[in-house]
Amino acid sequence: AQTVTQSQPEMSVQEAETVTLSCTYDTSESDYYLFWYKQPPSRQMILVIRQEAYKQQNATENRFSVNFQKAAKSFSLKISDSQLGDAAMYFCAYLDRGSTLGRLYFGRGTQLTVWP
Amino acid sequence: GAVVSQHPSRVICKSGTSVKIECRSLDFQATTMFWYRQFPKKSLMLMATSNEGSKATYEQGVEKDKFLINHASLTLSTLTVTSAHPEDSSFYICSARDQGGPYNEQFFGPGTRLTVL
Repeated sequence: AQTVTQSQPEMSVQEAETVTLSCTYDTSESDYYLFWYKQPPSRQMILVIRQEAYKQQNATENRFSVNFQKAAKSFSLKISDSQLGDAAMYFCAYLDRGSTLGRLYFGRGTQLTVWP
Repeated sequence: GAVVSQHPSRVICKSGTSVKIECRSLDFQATTMFWYRQFPKKSLMLMATSNEGSKATYEQGVEKDKFLINHASLTLSTLTVTSAHPEDSSFYICSARDQGGPYNEQFFGPGTRLTVL
C-alpha cells in the first residue's frame, strides 16, 4: 500500500515569514496526484494545492507553492508571507490516478502555528 | 468547488442507541463516497468506501455490523452507528468523489461530532 510520511508533527512561523512543510511518499505507480489539505479549527478539510505527477512544473496557488521531486518522492509545501489564518493542521495526501475507487492516502499531519 | 454537506454537525446520544449521519453531494453525483473517523490532532482514518447501489467496502478492523453504511442514491450516503458506546465518540467526516471532474477529486463534508454518554 502507498504510504505518506509527514515527519514534522508541529511547525511554527512568524507572521509574514515563510515556512516549509515536508512530505514524502512511497509508491510504485508513475501516474498519481499529490495534495495538500488544510484543516483549521473548524475541522473542515480544505484543498490547498494539488500536483499532477506527470507535470514537472511545481504547482502554485497564490502564497502556496510546492517543491515536487518525483525521483526523491518528496512533496513539500511552502507558505510565503504567512498569515494568522494559515494556522491549521496540514495533511499531505496521495491519490493513484488509475485507482478505480479513488482512495486517498494521508500523512499524519503537521500542526502549523503562526505567531503574530 | 463542489459542495458536500453532512448532517447533523453535532449529536449527543445515550449509550446503546443508534445514530445516523447523512452525507450529501449537493451539486454533483457521487458513485463513491468515503467515511473517515478522526481523533483529536490525528489524521483521517478511512473506515469504509461507499459505492452507490452496492455494499460498502470496510477497512480492516472496522466492524461492518456496528457501522452500517447505505449509499442508496448518487447524492446520499448514510453512516449508522448502531448500539453506540462511549468509545465510538469521535469526529466523523465523509467525502464524495467527483468522477466527472478533471482530477477525480474527493470533496469533504464539514464533519459530525458524535458524543456518546
